[in-house]
Amino acid sequence: GAVVSQHPSRVICKSGTSVKIECRSLDFQATTMFWYRQFPKQSLMLMATSNEGSKATYEQGVEKDKFLINHASLTLSTLTVTSAHPEDSSFYICSARDDRGVGEAFFGQGTRLTVV
Amino acid sequence: AQSVAQPEDQVNVAEGNPLTVKCTYSVSGNPYLFWYVQYPNRGLQFLLKYITGDNLVKGSYGFEAEFNKSQTSFHLKKPSALVSDSALYFCAVRVANFGNEKLTFGTGTRLTIIP
Repeated sequence: GAVVSQHPSRVICKSGTSVKIECRSLDFQATTMFWYRQFPKQSLMLMATSNEGSKATYEQGVEKDKFLINHASLTLSTLTVTSAHPEDSSFYICSARDDRGVGEAFFGQGTRLTVV
Repeated sequence: AQSVAQPEDQVNVAEGNPLTVKCTYSVSGNPYLFWYVQYPNRGLQFLLKYITGDNLVKGSYGFEAEFNKSQTSFHLKKPSALVSDSALYFCAVRVANFGNEKLTFGTGTRLTIIP
């Protein structure tokens, strides 16, 4: 099946620093990728839709200057959490939509971000 | 607007018994429906999907789901539960087309299989 690789799986950073999370589709092309945030014992909250070669579309309430998204190729999207604060600590999950067929979405393994 | 309801936060089933995890949906148009499973500190793993065709779809690990258009439901089922099935399950829906419409997820159901 299709594989989405998300890296790193865990990261601890100091307040005020920036962290980059990568999402790669390994065996398919994905013009569209999605970034989610998941709080403990809660569902996935869509943060933004990332489109290759164009600006990301952010959901209401998500700060685009804080969560920078770059989708420079058909297999790679990155999420950079800028000037991280403890409240940004969370589980971040990416999803890549297969350009073929009905556009099924496949998920990365998730990134546990802890800001200290 | 589209939405998904998973009415049960928690489902407990004895090992070997059949299990059902409920999901109902609302969408403008025909739906694409999905079930995903999440293990602790992991992303979502795809289980199965309904796109078109037979209302009963079979997926990974012996799971199946039945699409019921009149009841707008897509309940996940398995004839005989395993302890390893214990996890968090999400139902998701999007409108059936080839655009980049986003998936809408339910709130998740934690399934616990009791040995």
